[in-house]
Amino acid sequence: GESVGLHLPTLSVQEGDNSIINCAYSNSASDYFIWYKQESGKGPQFIIDIRSNMDKRQGQRVTVLLNKTVKHLSLQIAATQPGDSAVYFCAETTMNRDDKIIFGKGTRLHILP
Amino acid sequence: DTGVSQNPRHKITKRGQNVTFRCDPISEHNRLYWYRQTLGQGPEFLTYFQNEAQLEKSRLLSDRFSAERPKGSFSTLEIQRTEQGDSAMYLCASSLLGGGTDTQYFGPGTRLTVL
Repeated sequence: GESVGLHLPTLSVQEGDNSIINCAYSNSASDYFIWYKQESGKGPQFIIDIRSNMDKRQGQRVTVLLNKTVKHLSLQIAATQPGDSAVYFCAETTMNRDDKIIFGKGTRLHILP
Repeated sequence: DTGVSQNPRHKITKRGQNVTFRCDPISEHNRLYWYRQTLGQGPEFLTYFQNEAQLEKSRLLSDRFSAERPKGSFSTLEIQRTEQGDSAMYLCASSLLGGGTDTQYFGPGTRLTVL
């Protein structure tokens, strides 16, 4: 079936370094992609999104890259901080249709002191 | 705080009992979604509403599950005759159709434990 997957279940990064979290998606019809951050005991928190007509979008300390040719999505976090420790999910959907989000399994980002 | 609230935050029940959860979306949002999340997994879509109309239900939503959004504002999710396999985090999200993006904002979830 269609799914969104992540390459690594856990990523450990030194505080202050940049983090890169990767994601592969399989549904060619998906045209809207979102990264969510989920801290323990909380619901997913929107970080950044990107539409399929773009290949890069920047936010505050975060950048999302979209490569539609290989169906790959990545989240870059600059100058990783202890507060960035969480599970990160990439998710895909099709805008203006059913809009249900398909989530991947998540990558746990662990910040080393 | 995203503006989406869910109650209760935790629910412990015995197998066979009925439970009901409530979600209050962001006030101007016309779409409301329910997801279920088990440990170590991403959320899985259950159902969604546009205003008061329930437009889609996942195969995950067995006959024991029912969701309502009677006035197009808050929503309830009821599970009848709970089973241990129903233990999970139940997440609600809302979005604004026609608002320019499909960003869904999630509530904190209701964690259900079925003994």
